[in-house]
Amino acid sequence: DAKTTQPPSMDCAEGRAANLPCNHSTISGNEYVYWYRQIHSQGPQYIIHGLKNNETNEMASLIITEDRKSSTLILPHATLRDTAVYYCIVRNSGNTPLVFGKGTRLSVIA
Amino acid sequence: DVKVTQSSRYLVKRTGEKVFLECVQDMDHENMFWYRQDPGLGLRLIYFSYDVKMKEKGDIPEGYSVSREKKERFSLILESASTNQTSMYLCASSLFQTNEKLFFGSGTQLSVL
Repeated sequence: DAKTTQPPSMDCAEGRAANLPCNHSTISGNEYVYWYRQIHSQGPQYIIHGLKNNETNEMASLIITEDRKSSTLILPHATLRDTAVYYCIVRNSGNTPLVFGKGTRLSVIA
Repeated sequence: DVKVTQSSRYLVKRTGEKVFLECVQDMDHENMFWYRQDPGLGLRLIYFSYDVKMKEKGDIPEGYSVSREKKERFSLILESASTNQTSMYLCASSLFQTNEKLFFGSGTQLSVL
């Protein structure tokens, strides 16, 4: 599976959009981009995933560039409860386990 | 509401003890996973299972074994606990066909003294 690169930390003001970048320049055609987050003292939580089209759900939006070498997770109106570590993971469509990197620690500031 | 339950939130054991970490899911998921999480190292996969009585080694299986006698239950076993196994242990499950969404338990913080 392709590797991902994320900034180790980011800050965001409460109520503003949080844009979390992820680079996956070696992604191949059948690999999906997944995003999870882990709030302190909890297990990771699924947020969203996509292949090449942009995706949106009740939690976030996922924007994947046309060449699929990078993506951005967008939390449209960040709240203090969105403070967490966010993991970007690339994995093929087969039934292989997810491999978590170190993620981005997002701090939402009042 | 879907649920993955880990038997203990905190556990303290002594070096050399045999330790069982239990995980139960109520979603009829085929896939189950055990990860450990350490500061600065992220989540690392220990073992996983795609079916009852089936197991596969993950990235760091040494010092661990697993048991999956029933679909809903996946146990992680530390045959002889050591201090370097002090860690947060996370169990997860997912549907076999898609494996898209992992559902995690709240974790067990194990301290080996």
